[in-house]
Amino acid sequence: LAKTTQPISMDSYEGQEVNITCSHNNIATNDYITWYQQFPSQGPRFIIQGYKTKVTNEVASLFIPADRKSSTLSLPRVSLSDTAVYYCLVGDRQAGTALIFGKGTTLSVSS
Amino acid sequence: DAGVTQSPTHLIKTRGQQVTLRCSSQSGHNTVSWYQQVLGQGPQFIFQYYEKEERGRGNFPDRFSARQFPNYSSELNVNALLLGDSALYLCASSSEGQGLKEQYFGPGTRLTVT
Repeated sequence: LAKTTQPISMDSYEGQEVNITCSHNNIATNDYITWYQQFPSQGPRFIIQGYKTKVTNEVASLFIPADRKSSTLSLPRVSLSDTAVYYCLVGDRQAGTALIFGKGTTLSVSS
Repeated sequence: DAGVTQSPTHLIKTRGQQVTLRCSSQSGHNTVSWYQQVLGQGPQFIFQYYEKEERGRGNFPDRFSARQFPNYSSELNVNALLLGDSALYLCASSSEGQGLKEQYFGPGTRLTVT
């Protein structure tokens, strides 16, 4: 079973910042939080991963509070091409295990 | 490096038939995982193979089987197809120790069972 809870869908306009929050109340001490993006009829693609506080890369930021029971993916200035399904996953970084996906959040960006 | 490739892209089968899906992993990767994605749902884990040995299995019936070859490519076999097996089948490759982060997915095989 997925260990995360996300909103089913979100709407936004081009140029806005989008924040998608994921709940993971039962996260283990050694679990990392990872986000994937999936476009229709394509395989998921890694976006960002973090363990605590804040992580930033060229496409997104990930905010993780001290209790680690939730995390927020932040997409700055979204464009139409950011319309996709976003998945939050948790798991042991060292395990090399399979990914357990939930239903994800469908983000729709309009002009 | 072509990344993870899958064949065929699309496939139509009849109930009761058998199907074999193929996956070529990314260069340097020794772990392959298979996922089934039904429309509107997230991918569901089927199998994981590491160095040609099964390392994990999801909640799928015995009609589903897989194997990994010495070159780390993989095949997924499904016997006695049901209408409910219609889905996008995804293959992902990774290296040992990469965990959640470095899983590279192929484009998938769209299987339709009629």
